[in-house]
Amino acid sequence: GAVVSQHPSWVICKSGTSVKIECRSLDFQATTMFWYRQFPKQSLMLMATSNEGSKATYEQGVEKDKFLINHASLTLSTLTVTSAHPEDSSFYICSAPKLPPGGTQYFGPGTRLLVL
Amino acid sequence: SQQGEEDPQALSIQEGENATMNCSYKTSINNLQWYRQNSGRGLVHLILIRSNEREKHSGRLRVTLDTSKKSSSLLITASRAADTASYFCATDATGNQFYFGTGTSLTVIP
Repeated sequence: GAVVSQHPSWVICKSGTSVKIECRSLDFQATTMFWYRQFPKQSLMLMATSNEGSKATYEQGVEKDKFLINHASLTLSTLTVTSAHPEDSSFYICSAPKLPPGGTQYFGPGTRLLVL
Repeated sequence: SQQGEEDPQALSIQEGENATMNCSYKTSINNLQWYRQNSGRGLVHLILIRSNEREKHSGRLRVTLDTSKKSSSLLITASRAADTASYFCATDATGNQFYFGTGTSLTVIP
């Protein structure tokens, strides 16, 4: 089946640093990828839609300057948490749909970010 | 918020019993999907039901969809301890954007 990978799986950083998380579709091309955030014991919240070759679209309340998204190729999207603070500590998950639209989404294994 | 709601928030049953969890959503959808998440791990896709379908089965899973009530249910029959996890519904309204429900935490006691 389709596989989506994320790197790193774990990251611990100091407050004020920036952290980059990669999301790759391993055996299919994805013109669109999605980034979610999940706080402990809560559901996944859609943060933004990453579009290959164009700007990402952000959900209401998500700061685009704080969470930079780059969809550099048809298999790679990156999320950079800039000037991370402890409240940014969360589980970040990406997903990519395998075409056609409306089908199954394939989720990455997630990246756990801890900001000290 | 487009996030759906699930109930119950937590469910504890004995092994061998059936588990039913419900999902309600707010907008018209193309499809609804159920996912499972073990503690601190990624998501596992369980089943997809399209808006023109009313019921779907996959192994021990049975999903129903009532678009008039904007609700879905997931039934796990003959539960096992390994079914212990959080279960989320996710609605797809635009062709690819997913909005997740609040989740049901299921504990199956051996």
